Amino acid sequence: GENVEQHPSTLSVQEGDSAVIKCTYSDSASNYFPWYKQELGKRPQLIIDIRSNVGEKKDQRIAVTLNKTAKHFSLHITETQPEDSAVYFCAASANNNDMRFGAGTRLTVKP
Amino acid sequence: EPEVTQTPSHQVTQMGQEVILRCVPISNHLYFYWYRQILGQKVEFLVSFYNNEISEKSEIFDDQFSVERPDGSNFTLKIRSTKLEDSAMYFCASSVQLHYGYTFGSGTRLTVV
Repeated sequence: GENVEQHPSTLSVQEGDSAVIKCTYSDSASNYFPWYKQELGKRPQLIIDIRSNVGEKKDQRIAVTLNKTAKHFSLHITETQPEDSAVYFCAASANNNDMRFGAGTRLTVKP
Repeated sequence: EPEVTQTPSHQVTQMGQEVILRCVPISNHLYFYWYRQILGQKVEFLVSFYNNEISEKSEIFDDQFSVERPDGSNFTLKIRSTKLEDSAMYFCASSVQLHYGYTFGSGTRLTVV
């Protein structure tokens, strides 16, 4: 099955700075790459996703890039705010119902 | 906004007992999933369900686990004989189609003592 690696495990940035989280995947057939945000004690919530037919997608302060050749994708958060503090998970899935998550990145945005 | 509903929010059970975790997916969704998250760890895939049958399952989903959609609205996860290491948060999720953002429920915290 798919194996997703995520780095870094923790990330601390100053408010207003950018944050970048990177993931790699193993299954070259994977073609769907969502990102989830999980606040303490709450459910994961989808924040952005990208499919393999595009290389980049942006939604306000959040962007995701995908490099299919290298099998890696990244989440970029610009102008970070304290409320961006959470655990972020990447995930990957091929044309099946088996979506695997990375180990998560704990992002802390310091005011 | 439609929600995935899970009950109970917290379940404590004796080791060896059977538990059933319940989920009501969003009504027009066709794909259903169970994931678990041991405290402080990653979200782990257990099983996916489509068209009234399991479509994928992970190595975690062994013979102790089963899923059912008994009545067209509920989606249940049964653990036949719980072990201490089954203690985790169990999340149900659903999606309207393949490769469309999953909506997660708020989870059931299972504690096996």
